[in-house]
Amino acid sequence: AQSVTQLGSHVSVSEGALVLLRCNYSSSVPPYLFWYVQYPNQGLQLLLKYTTGATLVKGINGFEAEFKKSETSFHLTKPSAHMSDAAEYFCAVSPSSGNTGKLIFGQGTTLQVKP
Amino acid sequence: GAVVSQHPSWVICKSGTSVKIECRSLDFQATTMFWYRQFPKQSLMLMATSNEGSKATYEQGVEKDKFLINHASLTLSTLTVTSAHPEDSSFYICSARALIQGGGYTFGSGTRLTVV
Repeated sequence: AQSVTQLGSHVSVSEGALVLLRCNYSSSVPPYLFWYVQYPNQGLQLLLKYTTGATLVKGINGFEAEFKKSETSFHLTKPSAHMSDAAEYFCAVSPSSGNTGKLIFGQGTTLQVKP
Repeated sequence: GAVVSQHPSWVICKSGTSVKIECRSLDFQATTMFWYRQFPKQSLMLMATSNEGSKATYEQGVEKDKFLINHASLTLSTLTVTSAHPEDSSFYICSARALIQGGGYTFGSGTRLTVV
């Protein structure tokens, strides 16, 4: 069974500092990987996703993530945090084959950006 | 881009009544729709997966008779919370997956249900 672990339920950074949100997955085969952002009382917005190809994926709002198969990781980074980045971030996996296509989410990480 | 419309965005109902939540894919056909529940400060918990024209597949521990899911067309799925109780109060989010192979997931904006 697939699972996702996000290390750190709460991350606090200063504005302009590097953002690093950690995500590790467990899967017998490399899955599809996603990062979503959620603002209060809203749905989820896709930041980026990895399916195949280049392991460094660039997303919206300056975020990027690198798929590292050897480490079963898909950490999310942004060089310089902005106040508007404060939100809840979810890492998710889905099977790369088969038809179920279920997205399994990590526990989420709250990003706080201090002025 | 792909858009999923979810209505209502919030609803308050009395205990014992039923509430219907709609999820529509506006500009694409959705092979599969997913329904999630989210408690405050927690992650999304998958409740069920629905495919157009067939019965929904419920996750373990989710009462199918309480959370009725109908996926009548490739653009519409509904979740009905029957005989709602205060413990059903939560944030419900739908997601639709495009018909094309490898289609991405698009989420609705969520529905805040409060049962009083």
